[in-house]
Amino acid sequence: QQPVQSPQAVILREGEDAVINCSSSKALYSVHWYRQKHGEAPVFLMILLKGGEQKGHEKISASFNEKKQQSSLYLTASQLSYSGTYFCGTAPAGSYQLTFGKGTKLSVIP
Amino acid sequence: EAQVTQNPRYLITVTGKKLTVTCSQNMNHEYMSWYRQDPGLGLRQIYYSMNVEVTDKGDVPEGYKVSRKEKRNFPLILESPSPNQTSLYFCASSPSSGGRSYEQYFGPGTRLTVT
Repeated sequence: QQPVQSPQAVILREGEDAVINCSSSKALYSVHWYRQKHGEAPVFLMILLKGGEQKGHEKISASFNEKKQQSSLYLTASQLSYSGTYFCGTAPAGSYQLTFGKGTKLSVIP
Repeated sequence: EAQVTQNPRYLITVTGKKLTVTCSQNMNHEYMSWYRQDPGLGLRQIYYSMNVEVTDKGDVPEGYKVSRKEKRNFPLILESPSPNQTSLYFCASSPSSGGRSYEQYFGPGTRLTVT
């Protein structure tokens, strides 16, 4: 079952912040975050593992609430280059399968 | 250069004509996977492989076959393609047999149209 992402789409002005949420009905081992630009392959952002710490680099960070099986991706002071579709991927505990959500389309405008 | 390659990149075929999409990685990765991407549905996993001769079904395996005879290659086979298999296909690889703990490296994609 695919994880549920919200919102489906968001438009930001440069410099604004955004949060993208990912929720699963299963107990999770890990959550992956990827960004895909139009016509390109998905590009890895970060992985959060069960029992691990919040990850982040530069202005993009993420958290993983193991009790609620939820993850959030935080984008601060957005740049034009942040535009794209963001996907979360979830791996249930006890499984080697990775299931992606339907994506969140982020548009950053000047 | 470390990469995942797919061939062909674009393919138009007719219903029922068997085809194979190749995937190869040069990073000695254990885990490989195939996804299809359709508008509004995100990435859906078709099959994955944790190592040579070890494969398992993903969320949408119907109509597809895979094999993993060599570590670097993971071809996707459509024995009798149908129009509902028209999609954008991505191959990915990951360093660990778990796949779930490490970054997935995606290939450039194969756009398949079945008429």
